[in-house]
Amino acid sequence: EAEVAQSPRYKITEKSQAVAFWCDPISGHATLYWYRQILGQGPELLVQFQDESVVDDSQLPKDRFSAERLKGVDSTLKIQPAELGDSAMYLCASSLDRSSTEAFFGQGTRLT
Amino acid sequence: KQEVTQIPAALSVPEGENLVLNCSFTDSAIYNLQWFRQDPGKGLTSLLLIQSSQREQTSGRLNASLDKSSGRSTLYIAASQPGDSATYLCAVASGYALNFGKGTSLLVTP
Repeated sequence: EAEVAQSPRYKITEKSQAVAFWCDPISGHATLYWYRQILGQGPELLVQFQDESVVDDSQLPKDRFSAERLKGVDSTLKIQPAELGDSAMYLCASSLDRSSTEAFFGQGTRLT
Repeated sequence: KQEVTQIPAALSVPEGENLVLNCSFTDSAIYNLQWFRQDPGKGLTSLLLIQSSQREQTSGRLNASLDKSSGRSTLYIAASQPGDSATYLCAVASGYALNFGKGTSLLVTP
């Protein structure tokens, strides 16, 4: 069964260091999402891609976060420099398109 | 902005009970609504997807309903089992993004 792949599963870093997360969506899925989930809360959207284009990054802290999906397939989310408040689960999801189709999530990267 | 609320925040039931989890949303202009399950430290597993034109979906012991006009959805779990213990999240697709509630943490005791 096709899955959304994320790596690493866990990342421990120090304040002011750079971290990067990778996501490989289900093959053929045009829409890719990055969410952040703080413990005890629901996931919140950071950035949404349609193919290689960003369609929504209004909640992405652009002073320290960046995301790319250069060839419209896999994606990388980067934080530089990391801050204590960035500790969370970072979830990647994909769907066939932006509207009525089901979203599938990866196992996430736990950042400490 | 779409606001999604889930009630109750936590629920503990003995094995075998039927239970209902509630989800409400503020903007009825949605594309679909999904229910997810999340085990501790894990990602989200999709349980049911209800399109905006549908009233309910069923999968095994799970049944989800949608009343778009009143901004409500319920997830019904029949004959609960200890393996059902997890956090259940409701997500509403509107404006091309998924908006999540904070989830209901379910504990089913043997």
